[in-house]
Amino acid sequence: RKEVEQDPGPFNVPEGATVAFNCTYSNSASQSFFWYRQDCRKEPKLLMSVYSSGNEDGRFTAQLNRASQYISLLIRDSKLSDSATYLCVVNPDSSYKLIFGSGTRLLVRP
Amino acid sequence: GAGVSQTPSNKVTEKGKYVELRCDPISGHTALYWYRQSLGQGPEFLIYFQGTGAADDSGLPNDRFFAVRPEGSVSTLKIQRTERGDSAVYLCASSLTGQVEETQYFGPGTRLLVL
Repeated sequence: RKEVEQDPGPFNVPEGATVAFNCTYSNSASQSFFWYRQDCRKEPKLLMSVYSSGNEDGRFTAQLNRASQYISLLIRDSKLSDSATYLCVVNPDSSYKLIFGSGTRLLVRP
Repeated sequence: GAGVSQTPSNKVTEKGKYVELRCDPISGHTALYWYRQSLGQGPEFLIYFQGTGAADDSGLPNDRFFAVRPEGSVSTLKIQRTERGDSAVYLCASSLTGQVEETQYFGPGTRLLVL
């Protein structure tokens, strides 16, 4: 079983739609969680950290469910520019090492 | 300010050859990481430097892979006797001190193709 699992997609949605991605992780002792965004042939960039209480940044909301060991990302009012791959990232042992999921691809169409 | 830079951006080599990939981290960042990303996968950790020393090289796949950071800034990832399976994007990242809560900033990567 992979340490971090994501649905690869693609999720194909119209502009203005709300879309949600989930991610599961296997190490129950994991402490830190993130969503990174990666555009085609570009480097990953931090989108947001995920906190136990949930957090929101504009149109983006991240949630953590420790009991079920999953993380979610909700994007409201999708824009064309949101088209990218979204990587779920877990820090399994509170160190520097990041464990990435394979990513979920989002396509927002006009 | 300048971000993480990597050279070359693309490298094509033949099976069995030796390659060097360079990473120039953000100025002042003491922590440097190498990851490898295969097609359709997320990045996989290779090695972590704190200053000049390799604090964790547990992700290096085998002894054909080696990395150095002699002056605590620029790092070079070296691959001997390349194999077709080494083809991937090699990403370098840096962070200020290596603390868990710090953001790791990634470079654009080097696309390695082994023929």
